[in-house]
Amino acid sequence: AQSVTQLGSHVSVSEGALVLLRCNYSSSVPPYLFWYVQYPNQGLQLLLKYTTGATLVKGINGFEAEFKKSETSFHLTKPSAHMSDAAEYFCAVTYTSGTYKYIFGTGTRLKVLA
Amino acid sequence: DAGVIQSPRHEVTEMGQEVTLRCKPISGHNSLFWYRQTMMRGLELLIYFNNNVPIDDSGMPEDRFSAKMPNASFSTLKIQPSEPRDSAVYFCASSSVTGELFFGEGSRLTVL
Repeated sequence: AQSVTQLGSHVSVSEGALVLLRCNYSSSVPPYLFWYVQYPNQGLQLLLKYTTGATLVKGINGFEAEFKKSETSFHLTKPSAHMSDAAEYFCAVTYTSGTYKYIFGTGTRLKVLA
Repeated sequence: DAGVIQSPRHEVTEMGQEVTLRCKPISGHNSLFWYRQTMMRGLELLIYFNNNVPIDDSGMPEDRFSAKMPNASFSTLKIQPSEPRDSAVYFCASSSVTGELFFGEGSRLTVL
């Protein structure tokens, strides 16, 4: 069965430090991968997505993620954390465009320390 | 585009009352999803519509839950009768063929 694992339900970083949020998936077919961000009292907002092509994907707010097939990973990074990055981040996977079977990870809450 | 619009944003009701949550998807999107988010269970897919037709309602927890999509621009999720364990944030999302989901801001339901 397909699944998504996010390592670390809570991550704290200092302002200006590297952000690394981990996501691993299991899939028997090529995945489409997404990172969403959720700010307090808001819905989920797409940060970036991987479908095909270049494995390093750039998203909004300076975030990027790299699809590594051999490691079945899609980790999210940002070189320098900003206070406004504090939010919950969800990794999600689906299998072909147009399918409704999105599988979400359990989320990682990012705290940015001044 | 205004994005996915949900109402009400907050609803407080008493056990046994009927609750109706509303959603207007993004114009042109042919898929609509209702999710429920709780601390304990995370994001759960309740029901999925494609071209206004319910495709998969296996996530609807009980017969007390029902959802409709009478046209491409409107959907409702109804809980009757409501129970305290239904307290959660309910999200509507829509998508086009490009695949990414666009979420509304959610309806926070509290059942006393």
